[in-house]
Amino acid sequence: DIQMTQSPASLSASLGETVSIECLASEGISNSLAWYQQKPGKSPQLLIYGASSLQDGVPSRFSGSGSGTQYSLKISGMQPEDEGVYYCQQGYKYPFTFGSGTKLEIK
Amino acid sequence: EVKLQQSGDELVRPGASVKISCKASGYTFTNYAMYWVKQSPGQGLEWIGTIIPLIDTTSYNQKFKGKATLTADKSSNTAYMELSRLTSEDSAVYYCARKMWDYFDYWGQGVMVTVSS
Repeated sequence: DIQMTQSPASLSASLGETVSIECLASEGISNSLAWYQQKPGKSPQLLIYGASSLQDGVPSRFSGSGSGTQYSLKISGMQPEDEGVYYCQQGYKYPFTFGSGTKLEIK
Repeated sequence: EVKLQQSGDELVRPGASVKISCKASGYTFTNYAMYWVKQSPGQGLEWIGTIIPLIDTTSYNQKFKGKATLTADKSSNTAYMELSRLTSEDSAVYYCARKMWDYFDYWGQGVMVTVSS
């Protein structure tokens, strides 16, 4: 199975700060990479697919980039509602696998 | 509006079985595969298995073979997952999620299964 390694495991950011979360795949995944946000007691919500395509309704401060084995999610201007846990997921090979998550909090 | 409505939280005895449902609405049920995902307390997301309702084909994470059984009822647009021989290790939140190409665009609200005597 493809292993997805996320970093950091947790971080705190000030309001308005730009935040980046990294995801490293154990092999190349050809941009088949999605990002999700999960808030406490809620199901994951899709933010980004295809490494850089923004899901409908997701604020434009979220963006994704990367290629090969390295991908990142950027939040340009942290907002209070951005607190939560973020997961990456590869869809290149079955079984689809997830990163272990990054917990993002307001500083 | 696409919606995946899961059944309610469950408290079950060790050794028992539980069947969770996921009712789809707002789209053609047979056009999309349905994934099932486990989230153990404070843990990440783990794929259990997949069902393609159109052809009733299933695939399972090796770890969950013999533990989970996936079915789908096309007449009611509902996917099911039965978990058998439950132990404390099965206490978790279970999600259904609609597969769109290579990602999941809609998720159910989750079912918390608690295994306790």
